[in-house]
Amino acid sequence: DAGITQSPRYKITETGRQVTLMCHQTWSHSYMFWYRQDLGHGLRLIYYSAAADITDKGEVPDGYVVSRSKTENFPLTLESATRSQTSVYFCASSGGLAGVLTQYFGPGTRLLVL
Amino acid sequence: AQSVAQPEDQVNVAEGNPLTVKCTYSVSGNPYLFWYVQYPNRGLQFLLKYITGDNLVKGSYGFEAEFNKSQTSFHLKKPSALVSDSALYFCAVRDMATGGGNKLTFGTGTQLKVEL
Repeated sequence: DAGITQSPRYKITETGRQVTLMCHQTWSHSYMFWYRQDLGHGLRLIYYSAAADITDKGEVPDGYVVSRSKTENFPLTLESATRSQTSVYFCASSGGLAGVLTQYFGPGTRLLVL
Repeated sequence: AQSVAQPEDQVNVAEGNPLTVKCTYSVSGNPYLFWYVQYPNRGLQFLLKYITGDNLVKGSYGFEAEFNKSQTSFHLKKPSALVSDSALYFCAVRDMATGGGNKLTFGTGTQLKVEL
């Protein structure tokens, strides 16, 4: 039971570079979410997806792009990384027997933008 | 808009003593409420949720939470704390009066430290 995985777990990049963070879930959950976690802000929603090919903005979407061509994958792309995007990024999914409201989280990707 | 507040950045408690981590919420309709726990360098783990029914909800690892509608609170409790309970705890809310994506709004987190 792999659950929800994220890759890479750690990433160092430079300002202006494009970075893609991967998220994969094996539960066939319909909903998937991307959050960033910063000290003093808790978790803030970047983007979410209700199903394949359906995505919508969250609280802090600027500078990020998402796609969802398959139910199990929900990659997050930073088109031109900035230092303010240094953060820990969490992917989550919900659906199935636990219901669409209970979200299950991946282990996170720690991103440092130099 | 839905929101949740965790008024304490940190809670310290001695092992064996009861613990309470506070959460208050604001919604326009009925709330769905959640508690999650995060251990160092890990993702968030679901602890428990309140949807409807009994105001006292029991969850994983001996935790429970009490829903109080009049005080708009959903405090997390445990009768006897363990050192291994030391972690970051998040409260989250979903306002059932609003549509759009089953989004949860998270609090800023409370660091629980249980000492011997």
